[in-house]
Amino acid sequence: GESVGLHLPTLSVQEGDNSIINCAYSNSASDYFIWYKQESGKGPQFIIDIRSNMDKRQGQRVTVLLNKTVKHLSLQIAATQPGDSAVYFCAETYSGAGSYQLTFGKGTKLSVIP
Amino acid sequence: NAGVTQTPKFQVLKTGQSMTLQCAQDMNHEYMSWYRQDPGMGLRLIHYSVGAGITDQGEVPNGYNVSRSTTEDFPLRLLSAAPSQTSVYFCASSQLAGGYTDTQYFGPGTRLTVL
Repeated sequence: GESVGLHLPTLSVQEGDNSIINCAYSNSASDYFIWYKQESGKGPQFIIDIRSNMDKRQGQRVTVLLNKTVKHLSLQIAATQPGDSAVYFCAETYSGAGSYQLTFGKGTKLSVIP
Repeated sequence: NAGVTQTPKFQVLKTGQSMTLQCAQDMNHEYMSWYRQDPGMGLRLIHYSVGAGITDQGEVPNGYNVSRSTTEDFPLRLLSAAPSQTSVYFCASSQLAGGYTDTQYFGPGTRLTVL
């Protein structure tokens, strides 16, 4: 079946630099996308989401960009901090009738170098 | 609010044993789900529920049963555990917004080992 994937499995960045985590999705019907952060030994935590009628959404230090033409999603973290070290997952779903399933990518591990 | 709680945190089973993983939420969410997470992989949906008395299968339902008798609780049952079910299990809940789930809130996970 169609699934969400990521370009890079690991990413190391210097503290204070910006981080960009990428995600490709294959289901063109998907219209809701979410980024989750998972710290070691914990459950995933919601970061930011975006619906398909938008191409950019900003939160606190995070920005999600959606390019529907190439089915690509990215998460930008500004001024990366040690506390940002975690695994980041993108997830997708679509609002078709009876569709209540989120499909997750495999995750990217972000390591912040102090 | 406690959010989403899961018990136990850790469990070791022998092949063929049965057990129930508990999940509860106190946010009055209609939607609840179970995922498993294996090393180097994302989360895969096992079962989900859109309300009391309603359950449906996800991507990897074989070997697992669920029921939803109340809004708050969504237990996951392993009837005859197999080593392939060694994994970390996460429960999640959310509101339903229109035709799909809203932001999902995850529990802390249950780490299950089947010998």
